[in-house]
Amino acid sequence: AIQMTQSPSSLSASIGDRVTIICRASQDIRNDLGWYQQKPGKAPKLLIYAASSLQSGVPSRFSGSGSGTDFILTISSLQPEDFATYYCLQDYNYPRTFGQGTKVEIK
Amino acid sequence: EVQLVESGGDLVQPGGSLRLSCEASGFTFSNYWMTWVRQTPGKGLEWVANIRRDGGLQYYVDSVKGRFTISRDNAKNSLYLQLDSLRAEDTAVYYCARDDQHSTGDIYYDAFDLWGQGTMVTVSS
Repeated sequence: AIQMTQSPSSLSASIGDRVTIICRASQDIRNDLGWYQQKPGKAPKLLIYAASSLQSGVPSRFSGSGSGTDFILTISSLQPEDFATYYCLQDYNYPRTFGQGTKVEIK
Repeated sequence: EVQLVESGGDLVQPGGSLRLSCEASGFTFSNYWMTWVRQTPGKGLEWVANIRRDGGLQYYVDSVKGRFTISRDNAKNSLYLQLDSLRAEDTAVYYCARDDQHSTGDIYYDAFDLWGQGTMVTVSS
């Protein structure tokens, strides 16, 4: 199975900060990658698919980039509602695999 | 309202069985691949299985192959996950999710755009 490794595992940031989360795949996955946001006690929410396509209704401060093995989720200006855990998910092959998550906390 | 509602989670002994259900409403269920994802308490997400629109193709994560069975009934707008030979490590919240696949030519991208609220499965003696 393809291993997905996120970094950092957690970070502290302030409102208005630019936040970057990295996801690395153990092999080339083209651009077959999605990003999900999860808040405590809630189901995940789709933010980005195909590495850089913004899901309808998701604020434009979220963006995704990368291809091959290295991917980035960027939040351009962190808002109070963005404090959550973020996961990448490869859909290049089966089984699909998630990264271990990055928790974004308030500084 | 467009939604997914899971049910069937329970406390079960190791080696036992359980059937989870996911009822869809507000959209044409038969147009979508469907997926099960689980989350162990305090831990991350794990993709478990998915099933094609017509039910004729399924994929599983290795750790559940031969023990779990995904199925669907498009006439009832329902997705199922049969859990057999349960182990302590299967303890988790189980979510169903709709896959709104996007395509570019002949490349398809998963997009789990609709999720249920989750149902808790606890495997313990």
